[in-house]
Amino acid sequence: QVQLVQSGPEVKKPGASVRISCRASGYFLTRYFMHWVRQAPGQGPEWMGRINPHDGSANYAQRFQDRISLTRDTSTSTVYMELSSLRSQDTAVYYCTREFLRGVESEYWGQGTLVTVSS
Amino acid sequence: EIVLTQSPGTLSLSPGERATLSCRASQAVSSTYFAWYQQKPGQAPRLLIYGASNRAPGIPDRFSGGGSGTDFTLTISRLEPEDFALYYCQQYGVSWTFGQGTKVE
Repeated sequence: QVQLVQSGPEVKKPGASVRISCRASGYFLTRYFMHWVRQAPGQGPEWMGRINPHDGSANYAQRFQDRISLTRDTSTSTVYMELSSLRSQDTAVYYCTREFLRGVESEYWGQGTLVTVSS
Repeated sequence: EIVLTQSPGTLSLSPGERATLSCRASQAVSSTYFAWYQQKPGQAPRLLIYGASNRAPGIPDRFSGGGSGTDFTLTISRLEPEDFALYYCQQYGVSWTFGQGTKVE
C-alpha cells in the first residue's frame, strides 16, 4: 500500500534552514509529482511547490521562490523540501502529498512535520 | 496568482440543516481544476469534490458542488454530526491555491 513517511519535528532559530524528507513506498516514486503544502496554526493550507521525481524539475509558489528547494533521491524513493532564511511565520505543519488522478486514484498525504521557528 | 476568498468564515448550524459555502476566485478558474476539501483537527485535508461538481470516491451524496468561472459553492444538504469541520476550496493544476477556509460549527 502507498505510504508517505515524513521526518520528525524540527525546532529552528530564525535565519536557519530546515530540510524535511518524505519517503515514499508502495509505488514507483518517479511516476507521480510530489507536492508540498504547509499549514500554519489556525490558517488554511498553503501550496509551496511540486517536484517531478522523474527528472528532478520543480515548480515553486512565487512567495517561496527564492528560499525553497525541492529535490529527490530515487535510490531511496525520498523527496526533500528545504526552506531557508526561516522566520517565525514559517512555524507550521509541512506535508508532502502525491499528485493523483482525481476520481480515479486515491490521495496520499504524509503524516506532517511540525517545524517551529523560535529564538 | 489566483486568490480564493471563502465566505462565510464561520457557519453556525445544527445537525439536519443545510449548509452553503461559497468560494470566489480573483480571476476565472477552469471548473476542471476546482475542488473542495474537508479537514478535521489533527488530520490532513481530505478531497470531497473535484472538477467543481464531482464527488470523490466514498463521499456521501449529501455533499454537492457547483459553480463556474469565479464563483463556486459547496452544499451539504443535511448536516450530519461528522460534517462539522473546516472546509477549503482549491484550484489545482500546475500550481495550487487554497482558500482561507469556512468553519462549519
